[in-house]
Amino acid sequence: DAKTTQPTSMDCAEGRAANLPCNHSTISGNEYVYWYRQIHSQGPQYIIHGLKNNETNEMASLIITEDRKSSTLILPHATLRDTAVYYCIVRVDYGQNFVFGPGTRLSVLP
Amino acid sequence: GAVVSQHPSRVICKSGTSVKIECRSLDFQATTMFWYRQFPKQSLMLMATSNEGSKATYEQGVEKDKFLINHASLTLSTLTVTSAHPEDSSFYICSALSMTGDEQFFGPGTRLTVL
Repeated sequence: DAKTTQPTSMDCAEGRAANLPCNHSTISGNEYVYWYRQIHSQGPQYIIHGLKNNETNEMASLIITEDRKSSTLILPHATLRDTAVYYCIVRVDYGQNFVFGPGTRLSVLP
Repeated sequence: GAVVSQHPSRVICKSGTSVKIECRSLDFQATTMFWYRQFPKQSLMLMATSNEGSKATYEQGVEKDKFLINHASLTLSTLTVTSAHPEDSSFYICSALSMTGDEQFFGPGTRLTVL
């Protein structure tokens, strides 16, 4: 079973920031938080991952709470092409497969 | 990031036939690849873990004799759906684990339709 819970769906206005929450209250000290997204009928696309520090790359920012029991993925300026299902996954870093939950269906609206 | 390809991207076959799906890591070597299945409006479900040079490890409920996996080289894993039936129609996705083990790169998926 997935070790995360996410809202089923969210809407966001184009150009605004999209903040996608994820709860992982049972996360272990050596487990990383990964975010992937899946656009319709495509394979999942890596977005970002982190352990305990906040992370930022060209796609998004990842904010992890100090107790590591939850995190937020931030898309700073959402576009229509960001409409997708976003998956938050926790796993030990090396060698394990990802266990996908149902994810959050983000709809970016014009 | 690294690139993983799948072939074919889409296949339609008759019930009872076998279908082979290829998964290739194009610019890196992958000792471990994973095969997932995704039904409409559902999440990805892991079917099996494919390790180069050894037998695949199947998840509970996945028939190893029906879904044959071969990982003969560090850049290629194949999934053969034997005696396919309409209930096997699904989106099949592979992924390859980076050599450092910290990233997993997904293929674009193969949509199988069994008539």
